[in-house]
Amino acid sequence: QKEVEQNSGPLSVPEGAIASLNCTYSDRGSQSFFWYRQYSGKSPELIMSIYSNGDKEDGRFTAQLNKASQYVSLLIRDSQPSDSATYLCAVEGGSYIPTFGRGTSLIVHP
Amino acid sequence: EPEVTQTPSHQVTQMGQEVILRCVPISNHLYFYWYRQILGQKVEFLVSFYNNEISEKSEIFDDQFSVERPDGSNFTLKIRSTKLEDSAMYFCASNGRTGNYGYTFGSGTRLTVV
Repeated sequence: QKEVEQNSGPLSVPEGAIASLNCTYSDRGSQSFFWYRQYSGKSPELIMSIYSNGDKEDGRFTAQLNKASQYVSLLIRDSQPSDSATYLCAVEGGSYIPTFGRGTSLIVHP
Repeated sequence: EPEVTQTPSHQVTQMGQEVILRCVPISNHLYFYWYRQILGQKVEFLVSFYNNEISEKSEIFDDQFSVERPDGSNFTLKIRSTKLEDSAMYFCASNGRTGNYGYTFGSGTRLTVV
């Protein structure tokens, strides 16, 4: 059974701070990793994808991957109230099917 | 920005009835998926579809479920005899698997079985 684990939160940060979201996965053969944002009642929206070890930056978002530790994280710099949502980690193995974690609820308070 | 379109947005059905959920994936994508999300729970894989056939399915995708691509654009999920526990958001997703790819989700169909 392929597992993707996330702390459900909520993670509460003040506006302007860095939010750090973490995810671990069980399938060592996983190749592709995704972070999605999901607002309540809406569909998942892709934020970042990462495929190789290290950091990948896109605007205020940085994804970090460590395959040896089976760990992927998402940093959100200069957090805004509009970033308040549930962040889903998805991990894709050799079958090209992403498995989702339960998500971490992020609250950015003014 | 290309979109995955799902209809209807909300469907209410009586237990035991058949429902068909419809999706129009992004036009140049080749891989299609159905996921569901029961309220407050995680996004769960149901089935993937490639080259006009099912490529993978989960334990959830039992005999009451079926998928079709009846023409070049639509991708449907049929639930033959709905149960109360089928109440969930159903998401269609597609993937082009080129470049810096990701899975694009439709806006979902909220299915309520009463």
